[in-house]
Amino acid sequence: QKEVEQDPGPLSVPEGAIVSLNCTYSNSAFQYFMWYRQYSRKGPELLMYTYSSGNKEDGRFTAQVDKSSKYISLFIRDSQPSDSATYLCAMTSANFNKFYFGSGTKLNVKP
Amino acid sequence: EAQVTQNPRYLITVTGKKLTVTCSQNMNHEYMSWYRQDPGLGLRQIYYSMNVEVTDKGDVPEGYKVSRKEKRNFPLILESPSPNQTSLYFCASRSGPNQPQHFGDGTRLSIL
Repeated sequence: QKEVEQDPGPLSVPEGAIVSLNCTYSNSAFQYFMWYRQYSRKGPELLMYTYSSGNKEDGRFTAQVDKSSKYISLFIRDSQPSDSATYLCAMTSANFNKFYFGSGTKLNVKP
Repeated sequence: EAQVTQNPRYLITVTGKKLTVTCSQNMNHEYMSWYRQDPGLGLRQIYYSMNVEVTDKGDVPEGYKVSRKEKRNFPLILESPSPNQTSLYFCASRSGPNQPQHFGDGTRLSIL
């Protein structure tokens, strides 16, 4: 069983839609959770970084963590064509040595 | 400009021919990591380094070596590459244990 599961998509939505991206995990030691965006032929770039359960908002992006269910989400409001990319979730435990990534969800926002 | 630079960006080579992928960062970061990215498997950590001369295995270290002789450089060495090491490789660095990782733009390796 993979440490982190993520639906690969692809997910296609019209411009302006609310997008929900999700990951589940199995290791209860994970405490820090990240979302990365990866454009084609580029490295991942950090979008959101959260610790513990709860919500964190940054502009159009909201990250949500439910540690009791081992489930994390990223919501994108008012999605734009420029949001079209692959979104990766990632997580690590308190020692921060090893990072575990989901396989990525490919998002396409249609104009 | 703060960046992580990988070279080469693309390489096609043959089984058994030793190769090195270089990674250099100009941010004075202590922590560096190597990942491989494969379809359906996501990014998997190969090796990481917490400082000069301090390295440790990630989840998929078999067939790879690393060294950290200088803070800015963290080369990935494939002593005897095999076709199952065909992949997209990323180097990343961060300033501290709980700081975000900065990724390079990747090296696509094809081993025939």
